[in-house]
Amino acid sequence: DGGITQSPKYLFRKEGQNVTLSCEQNLNHDAMYWYRQDPGQGLRLIYYSQIVNDFQKGDIAEGYSVSREKKESFPLTVTSAQKNPTAFYLCASSTKDRFTGELFFGEGSRLTVL
Amino acid sequence: QKEVEQNSGPLSVPEGAIASLNCTYSDRGSQSFFWYRQYSGKSPELIMSIYSNGDKEDGRFTAQLNKASQYVSLLIRDSQPSDSATYLCAVNTGFQKLVFGTGTRLLVSP
Repeated sequence: DGGITQSPKYLFRKEGQNVTLSCEQNLNHDAMYWYRQDPGQGLRLIYYSQIVNDFQKGDIAEGYSVSREKKESFPLTVTSAQKNPTAFYLCASSTKDRFTGELFFGEGSRLTVL
Repeated sequence: QKEVEQNSGPLSVPEGAIASLNCTYSDRGSQSFFWYRQYSGKSPELIMSIYSNGDKEDGRFTAQLNKASQYVSLLIRDSQPSDSATYLCAVNTGFQKLVFGTGTRLLVSP
């Protein structure tokens, strides 16, 4: 079945450690996104990529890094520079169309910093 | 002013009633509008999209868009307890960039 797979679902990290969240899609979508969701807040865009080997910062990119070496994959690294990394992280993809762009989300990864 | 604003709720309605969820946005150039449903602890799922002024119906859901007044709404007819969730309004403000509201929590009581 087509979809987006995020792993791991739950992740615990000690302060000062980098962690990488995986996101893989088999929908043949060009665009991929990473969002962060905190309680009581909407989804905030971290990074997005519209084509392979290219990506742009979103609204809260500080402390995060991404790569887009393959169309299917868009991993997110949460670095030690991210001051408050505990959150629910959502990966999404969409077709590359200017005026549409329904997002398809993965199941999310919940990161907790101990 | 936030780009996309929603009342956080909770909005409580009895089973079988109509639930009305509202959203306002600030960017007049916005072209496409979406409603996502998010159950607690789960990821959002798209339930409605609307691109032109007026109403768009899909089953029990109706999305309404008024670009002149910069608001979009979602009506849920015959509300069911399974509709209890947070509803996120999202606005496409440019090329492939969606801005989300903080969501309205809906509670449907049996």
